[in-house]
Amino acid sequence: DIQMTQSPSSVSASVGDRVTITCRASQGISTWLAWYQQKPGKAPKLLIYAASSLQSGVPSRFSGSGSGTDFTLTISSLQPEDFATYCCQQGNSFPLTFGPGTTVDIK
Amino acid sequence: QITLKESGPTLVKPTQTLTLTCTFSGFSLTTNGVGVGWIRQPPGKALEWLALIYWDDEKRYSPSLKSRLTITKDTSKNQVVLTMTNMDPLDTATYFCAHRHVAYNFFDPWGQGTLVTVSS
Repeated sequence: DIQMTQSPSSVSASVGDRVTITCRASQGISTWLAWYQQKPGKAPKLLIYAASSLQSGVPSRFSGSGSGTDFTLTISSLQPEDFATYCCQQGNSFPLTFGPGTTVDIK
Repeated sequence: QITLKESGPTLVKPTQTLTLTCTFSGFSLTTNGVGVGWIRQPPGKALEWLALIYWDDEKRYSPSLKSRLTITKDTSKNQVVLTMTNMDPLDTATYFCAHRHVAYNFFDPWGQGTLVTVSS
């Protein structure tokens, strides 16, 4: 199985801050990576797929980059509605696996 | 607009079989490339992928749970059913179904999820 790790596990930030979250795969996955946002009690929402493609309807302040084993999600200017948990998922091979999540909370 | 909704029991006893139904609209599971997956999330924990069924009836399962899982589809009813046998308290989780992204094994959108508690 491909293990997904994320850092940091949590980050405290203020509105307007630039936030970067890292996801690492235990083996190369090319660009078969997605990022999701999840708010408490809600289902995850797809933000980024194929490492850097913005899902339709997602604000452009979200961006993704990386390939192989190392990936990043960047929120260029944090908005109040962005306080949530973010997780990555590899779609390179079965079993599909998710990262443990990074919580972005208010500083 | 694609929507999915999970339904099933909220409480099951240990050793029982869980049957969850995902009822969807806005797409057809007969269309090339389409799939529906099941993912679960224990309280306060990470997401765990369980199973995925494709338009051509190909099925994929989590190896760690494969012996306990069955995924099927009913295209006439726009439903996907997941059964999980021999339930254990560790299977307590919110279970989500989700639409497979058209070209990748990612998921969008997701159903609202249903919390299943395993307890005697």
